[in-house]
Amino acid sequence: NAGVTQTPKFRILKIGQSMTLQCTQDMNHNYMYWYRQDPGMGLKLIYYSVGAGITDKGEVPNGYNVSRSTTEDFPLRLELAAPSQTSVYFCASSSLGNGMSSNQPQHFGDGTRLSIL
Amino acid sequence: AQTVTQSQPEMSVQEAETVTLSCTYDTSESNYYLFWYKQPPSRQMILVIRQEAYKQQNATENRFSVNFQKAAKSFSLKISDSQLGDTAMYFCAFMKSFTGNQFYFGTGTSLTVIP
Repeated sequence: NAGVTQTPKFRILKIGQSMTLQCTQDMNHNYMYWYRQDPGMGLKLIYYSVGAGITDKGEVPNGYNVSRSTTEDFPLRLELAAPSQTSVYFCASSSLGNGMSSNQPQHFGDGTRLSIL
Repeated sequence: AQTVTQSQPEMSVQEAETVTLSCTYDTSESNYYLFWYKQPPSRQMILVIRQEAYKQQNATENRFSVNFQKAAKSFSLKISDSQLGDTAMYFCAFMKSFTGNQFYFGTGTSLTVIP
């Protein structure tokens, strides 16, 4: 039972480079999320998706792009890496709730530590 | 907008003792969910316990329990019989019902269990 898998675990980029953080889940969850966690801080939502083909901005979307072509995959793209994007990135997923009867915690990946130099 | 506040950046507790981590939140929603997540040095986010706002009974999960005070918008976590493996960052989180399942996280409390 793999759950949520993120790759890579670590990466160092130069300013201006681009890269894609991969996230895949095998639980058939509709909802997927990308967060960043800066040192000593809580998680901030970057983007989220409520299903294949549907994405929306979170609290801190600038400098990032996402796509959701399948239920399983939710990659996060950095087009022009900047030092301010140095952070730990977490992908998460959850199943579609059912209103007040739902109780859907998020399942998190192990995180990707990204440094921009 | 929803905000989650954890006013204790760091705490420590002796092994086998009890410790309480504080969390307050601000929302105009009437139906929502609250969670405590644990993040050990491995950086994984692990669900510890969850509470539905419409339930008056406080959630319990083995050594973990919450004190949910809806009127005061308070959601504290009590860890009994603390173990060395409880050393971690603990995040309080709020989830609105019905709308995108977005989570709002506090800034975390670093808990150290002292042998």
